[in-house]
Amino acid sequence: DIQMTQSPSTLSASVGDRVTITCRASQSISDWLAWYQQKPGKAPKLLIYKASTLESGVPSRFSGSGSGTEFTLTISSLQPDDFADYYCHQYTSSVYTFGQGTKLEIK
Amino acid sequence: EVQLVQSGAEVKKPGESLRISCKASGYSFTTYWIAWVRQMPGKGLEWVGIVYPGDSETKYSPSFQGQVTISADRSITAAYLQWRSLRASDTAIYYCARQEYRGGTRGFDYWGQGALVTVSS
Repeated sequence: DIQMTQSPSTLSASVGDRVTITCRASQSISDWLAWYQQKPGKAPKLLIYKASTLESGVPSRFSGSGSGTEFTLTISSLQPDDFADYYCHQYTSSVYTFGQGTKLEIK
Repeated sequence: EVQLVQSGAEVKKPGESLRISCKASGYSFTTYWIAWVRQMPGKGLEWVGIVYPGDSETKYSPSFQGQVTISADRSITAAYLQWRSLRASDTAIYYCARQEYRGGTRGFDYWGQGALVTVSS
């Protein structure tokens, strides 16, 4: 199975900060990677797919990059609504996997 | 409007059986896979498996293979996750989500609201 290693597990930041979350795959997944945001008590929400394509309706302060084994999710200027959990997800193989998650909290 | 509406919370005893459902509407059911994702209390997301309602093809995570059964009934546009014998460690929220069948480029673009399964003696 392809393992996804996401870091950091917790990130403390302030409104207006630029933050980056990293996801590393144990083998190449080309660009078959998505990012999701999850708020407490809610289902995950798709933010980015194919590593860098912004889902419709998602603010442009979110961006994704990478290919192969290294991927990043960047939030250019944190807003109060962005404090949540974030997960990467590879969907290239017959067995999908998620990263362990990053909790983005207010500093 | 695309909707995935899941069945309600369940409280079961160890050893009991259970089937939870995910009712799809607002799109062509046989043009998308339906996946199941587990989230144990306070933990991250885990992919359980996926079913294609067009021909009932299924794929499972090795961690869940043999422990659960995923199925779909295209006549009523519903997908299911089933256990024959529940364990306390099955306690979690289970989400269904859809993925486009051809290409599947967008990952899981719509999710159900989640179903809490509690297994306790």
